[in-house]
Amino acid sequence: ETGVTQSPTHLIKTRGQQVTLRCSSQSGHNTVSWYQQALGQGPQFIFQYYREEENGRGNFPPRFSGLQFPNYSSELNVNALELDDSALYLCASSTGRSNYGYTFGSGTRLTVV
Amino acid sequence: GESVGLHLPTLSVQEGDNSIINCAYSNSASDYFIWYKQESGKGPQFIIDIRSNMDKRQGQRVTVLLNKTVKHLSLQIAATQPGDSAVYFCAESDRDDKIIFGKGTRLHILP
Repeated sequence: ETGVTQSPTHLIKTRGQQVTLRCSSQSGHNTVSWYQQALGQGPQFIFQYYREEENGRGNFPPRFSGLQFPNYSSELNVNALELDDSALYLCASSTGRSNYGYTFGSGTRLTVV
Repeated sequence: GESVGLHLPTLSVQEGDNSIINCAYSNSASDYFIWYKQESGKGPQFIIDIRSNMDKRQGQRVTVLLNKTVKHLSLQIAATQPGDSAVYFCAESDRDDKIIFGKGTRLHILP
């Protein structure tokens, strides 16, 4: 059984650019949640996908968007990057419309310059 | 707004002693609480959870206590070891199913 894997592990982008982060959920999990973790802070909920549909969204602007694929892997897209978007982006998978049994990946460290 | 906070940003504990990490939450609708451990360069790792219909739950070397009257959550780690050094987050979840994290407490183990 594999855990949650995220790619890339590190990324540097320029302000105004667009970025796509990827997440493969743990085997058997059909729900994926994305979090943003700024340095020294707790993770902040961005959105959750269940069976390819958005199932809840946090307080993030529309330039943060996502997708979930039939194999339950997921992408996080951020347009018009801002310096404050620099953070660790975490993906967590679970089973069902539930937060029980969340398994987190190691994250993607995004730096916007 | 809904928030989860922690009383102390850093906690230093002698190796072998017990650690107690505290957390306050503000959303009375939260019905599920979780403690996570995050080591440097890694994602949060589940430690233990508790539902709002319980006030205590024990795991291996860890105990979570929930006091709904004062909206307080604590994590007790018995016989703290060097491998326990990490940032610990309490988190809560309400009927919307999203998990809300606090800012974290760094646990530092003294030799």
